[in-house]
Amino acid sequence: GAGVSQSPSNKVTEKGKDVELRCDPISGHTALYWYRQSLGQGLEFLIYFQGNSAPDKSGLPSDRFSAERTGGSVSTLTIQRTQQEDSAVYLCASSSAGLEFGYEQFFGPGTRLTVL
Amino acid sequence: AQKVTQAQTEISVVEKEDVTLDCVYETRDTTYYLFWYKQPPSGELVFLIRRNSFDEQNEISGRYSWNFQKSTSSFNFTITASQVVDSAVYFCALLTSGTYKYIFGTGTRLKVLA
Repeated sequence: GAGVSQSPSNKVTEKGKDVELRCDPISGHTALYWYRQSLGQGLEFLIYFQGNSAPDKSGLPSDRFSAERTGGSVSTLTIQRTQQEDSAVYLCASSSAGLEFGYEQFFGPGTRLTVL
Repeated sequence: AQKVTQAQTEISVVEKEDVTLDCVYETRDTTYYLFWYKQPPSGELVFLIRRNSFDEQNEISGRYSWNFQKSTSSFNFTITASQVVDSAVYFCALLTSGTYKYIFGTGTRLKVLA
């Protein structure tokens, strides 16, 4: 499809397990973002990638969180040794850096992570 | 420091009422962009509007209108004749020139009652 896709849509895991969340951005978008949204809360910035520049990891809550973006396209957010407080919806968004494209972000449907 | 404040946590209105969602931003940059996004119960955020700091012209799109005032650092969103389908969480966001890091407000949950 033409939009941002994320997989899985839902993930239930046990405390202490590792999980990987995937994001496929819109083709040609150079910027990719990960956010976390806890129940009833706003968007918490986690990390963004822009082209070939070093990612901005300033929002990652702990060293259990990491993310990669391969080939400037698909991104994977990995959470190691999951904790119950990691339960949230993880949103991915992409945008084009060009001013002519308005800089708006296009969001994926999110991955709902539940840590038991 | 960059900041976006949406002081209204939740608003309830009766269908057909007008409602205004407030957004106040802080930035020292002279070039920036402001956005509104809608997050319906289904969960996926939808882009509504983008405004440049050098364009204070208000905009109307159907029942939606936006009032951008640099003097008060506000970018308010009004829904005229609200409908049940407008029920959602609405986020205001700020992006300053030269960065790709958006600053989101905490959102306003709008409930439109039939």
